[in-house]
Amino acid sequence: EVQLVESGGGLVQPGGSLRLSCAASGFTVSSNYMSWVRQAPGKGLEWVSVIYSGGSTYYADSVKGRFTISRDNSKNTLYLQMNSLRAEDTAVYSCARHTARITDFDYWGQGTLVTVSS
Amino acid sequence: EIVLTQSPGTLSLSPGERATLSCRASQSVSSSYLAWYQQKLGQAPRLLIYGASSRATGIPDRFSGSGSGTDFTLTISRLEPEDFAVYYCQQYGSSPLYSFGQGTKLEIK
Repeated sequence: EVQLVESGGGLVQPGGSLRLSCAASGFTVSSNYMSWVRQAPGKGLEWVSVIYSGGSTYYADSVKGRFTISRDNSKNTLYLQMNSLRAEDTAVYSCARHTARITDFDYWGQGTLVTVSS
Repeated sequence: EIVLTQSPGTLSLSPGERATLSCRASQSVSSSYLAWYQQKLGQAPRLLIYGASSRATGIPDRFSGSGSGTDFTLTISRLEPEDFAVYYCQQYGSSPLYSFGQGTKLEIK
């Protein structure tokens, strides 16, 4: 059974850093495209970043230069390093597995809440 | 940058009625790259439709998708109580690489 479990969220001050983790089971992270998607309280979905099976990475303009997506193949875990955090980064962050088509997402975690506030 | 605009923002209907949800793109989107998701409160999104009109595994046939270019539609032929949720369209391929519409809330009238 495919499962994605995020962790690492919390309260952080503006300008601070946080690293999110997404532990996967039931499939191999490195063989799939994986993304982070966030949802601000009461708002819609916003794609944040993707890492391709080949290792290429891409980011939304809103986080480019501040966030870094990575994975640890030995731990079958996806990460999102978030630096220079801003109030507008406050959201529930979810990891999502792409379908084999890569154009959409078939499995999602429940998310971890990141709150950026002083 | 491609922006997806969904309408209406909220749709109030009764079980058994037909629901028609719209997703309009600011630039043309390949039909192969347009998907629809359902999200219930406190749950992760669920893939309903991919390639604009293909149902994902396990999705009932009362859900259908159509459209091309800049105008896409999700239709629910006969609403069941469990269909009341928020629906998002999503595109792939243009800046940003992936993006979602702002969502349509389908509520019980």
